[in-house]
Amino acid sequence: AQSVTQLDSHVSVSEGTPVLLRCNYSSSYSPSLFWYVQHPNKGLQLLLKYTSAATLVKGINGFEAEFKKSETSFHLTKPSAHMSDAAEYFCVVSDYGGSQGNLIFGKGTKLSVKP
Amino acid sequence: DTGVSQDPRHKITKRGQNVTFRCDPISEHNRLYWYRQTLGQGPEFLTYFQNEAQLEKSRLLSDRFSAERPKGSFSTLEIQRTEQGDSAMYLCASSPAQGANTEAFFGQGTRLTVV
Repeated sequence: AQSVTQLDSHVSVSEGTPVLLRCNYSSSYSPSLFWYVQHPNKGLQLLLKYTSAATLVKGINGFEAEFKKSETSFHLTKPSAHMSDAAEYFCVVSDYGGSQGNLIFGKGTKLSVKP
Repeated sequence: DTGVSQDPRHKITKRGQNVTFRCDPISEHNRLYWYRQTLGQGPEFLTYFQNEAQLEKSRLLSDRFSAERPKGSFSTLEIQRTEQGDSAMYLCASSPAQGANTEAFFGQGTRLTVV
């Protein structure tokens, strides 16, 4: 069965410093992986997705993630945090090899950004 | 606005009452999903439709829950004899049927409180 583990429930950074949100996955085949962001009182928004093309995936708002099969990881990074990045971030694996019939979410990482 | 719309945004009900939520997906999207999110957790899959056909149901979807998408457009999720454990955010998402790994677009959710 597919699953994702987000290694940190809460990450706090200062504005202008790098962001690293960690995610490990478990999948019996080549997975499709996603990062979604959830701002308070707003819907989930897709940041980026990995679909077995390039292992380094660039997303919106300066975020990127690298798929590392040997480490079963898909960590989300951003070189310089902005106050508007404060939100909940979810790592997601697709259950059907990318059909999105069933998205499996991690428990989320809350990102705080200090001025 | 052509995004996923959910109604109501908030619902407070007494234990034992029935509630119904509505989701209007993006008009050209054939797939529609329901998820449930409790405090501090990631969204959990409940069920999904391709057009009017309900293709999968999670074990989380007890016999008190029923979902419909009668004309392949909007969908309703009904909970009968609500329990306090049903208190959660209910999220709806939609995506095009064609193209694996396409993005799922989420609504802002319906927050249910059972008192």
